Amino acid sequence: EVQLLESGGGLVQPGGSLRLSCAASGFAFSSNGMSWVRQVPGKGLEWVSSISRSGDETYYADSVKGRFTVSRDNSMNTLYLQVNILRAEDTAIYYCAKIGVIGNWYYDLWGRGTLVTVSS
Amino acid sequence: EIVLTQSPGTLSLSPGERATLSCRASQSVSSSRLAWYQQKPGQAPRLLIYGASNRATGIPDRLSGSGSGTDFTLTITRLEPEDFAVYFCQQYGSSPPTFGQGTKVEIK
Repeated sequence: EVQLLESGGGLVQPGGSLRLSCAASGFAFSSNGMSWVRQVPGKGLEWVSSISRSGDETYYADSVKGRFTVSRDNSMNTLYLQVNILRAEDTAIYYCAKIGVIGNWYYDLWGRGTLVTVSS
Repeated sequence: EIVLTQSPGTLSLSPGERATLSCRASQSVSSSRLAWYQQKPGQAPRLLIYGASNRATGIPDRLSGSGSGTDFTLTITRLEPEDFAVYFCQQYGSSPPTFGQGTKVEIK
């Protein structure tokens, strides 16, 4: 089955860290760029970060630059997002998403998301 | 960054009716790089349309996308029960990719 499965979310205090994971299956993971997109429950969607097929190119939203790090392990078919120095405004559901076509950042496969809650 | 404004915020319609959703960009979207997604409560978004008018795999032909430049439309010709959901547009022609705030299609 073609799917993405996120994990690693949870409740963390402001200033804390988490490592989010996204396990891919059913498709050639190493052939696709990947992204993280977040959503405050009941609100809109916000692009967070993207990574190239090989992992040598990474991109970040200004709101997370310097605090979040995206990476991937193609041997394990897994995408990661290291989130540091968390703020209350980082509270959201974090989705990993598969980029549809090289150079065209629309998303043709999404995971079910993992909830990150930043609160003291 | 390009700001996408969707209208209306909520659309109240009956099954079988036609739905017309608008997505307006603050500047021209390069090469019509606009996508539409459907999201149901507790679920991840699902790709419907890419490249402004190309249906994704498995999307029925009662859903169609159109538009270019700054004005884009998603049309659902005859609403089925499974079409009642929230719809987001997204532009990927300029960095960063951005999303509209969503239109909720609810049962009247």
